Amino acid sequence: AQKVTQAQTEISVVEKEDVTLDCVYETRDTTYYLFWYKQPPSGELVFLIRRNSFDEQNEISGRYSWNFQKSTSSFNFTITASQVVDSAVYFCALSEAGFQKLVFGTGTRLLVSP
Amino acid sequence: NAGVTQTPKFRVLKTGQSMTLLCAQDMNHEYMYWYRQDPGMGLRLIHYSVGEGTTAKGEVPDGYNVSRLKKQNFLLGLESAAPSQTSVYFCASSLSFPSDPLYNEQFFGPGTRLTVL
Repeated sequence: AQKVTQAQTEISVVEKEDVTLDCVYETRDTTYYLFWYKQPPSGELVFLIRRNSFDEQNEISGRYSWNFQKSTSSFNFTITASQVVDSAVYFCALSEAGFQKLVFGTGTRLLVSP
Repeated sequence: NAGVTQTPKFRVLKTGQSMTLLCAQDMNHEYMYWYRQDPGMGLRLIHYSVGEGTTAKGEVPDGYNVSRLKKQNFLLGLESAAPSQTSVYFCASSLSFPSDPLYNEQFFGPGTRLTVL
C-alpha cells in the first residue's frame, strides 16, 4: 500500500534561515513517482516538482532543492535563505506506476517570520 | 484560459440537505479528481474520472456521488449532508495519470469551503 509521512506538522524559522521539510514514503513498487506541492495562505495548490524512482539525482531550482534517497525512502525538500513568501503548507505525494491517483502526506506548515 | 474553476466558493448546509459542487476545466484534460482537505489529514481523494462518462472511487467515497457527463465538467454531489462532510473540497485535472511518462502535473481549482450544521 502507498503511504506518505510528513512527520513535521509545523516549522517556524526566521527569514534567511535554511529549512528542510521531510518526506518519508512507503511503496511496494519499484517504479513510482514523488511530488511536492505548495499551498500558500490563499489556498490554491501549486505544483513544485515530480521525480521518478529511477532518477536519484538531486534537483535544484533557485532556492529550492530536493534530496531523493531510495535507501531511506525519503524525498526531502530544502529551502535555502527562506523568505516570508515561502510561508505555506507543503505537501509531499506519491503515485505508484499504473495507479491513476496521488496519495498525499498530511502536510507541513512552514512559517517564515521577518 | 481559466484553468480549473469551482462553483460555489463557499456554502453552508443543514444536515440532510443536498447539494452539487461543480468543477470545470478548459485545458481538455482527460483526468479529473475530487479531494477533501481536513486539518491534520492532508488531501484525501474522494472520486476521480479517467475520461468522459467514467468515474471511480477514491480513498473516501462514502456519502458522495459524482458524474462526468462532459469532458470539461466533473460534478460532486452530496445527497444527504452530514457534519462530518464539513471540509474544503478541491477539484483537480490532469492530462494523464501520475505515472504516465507524459504526465506533467495536476492542476487544482481554488477550493470550495463547505460547512454542514
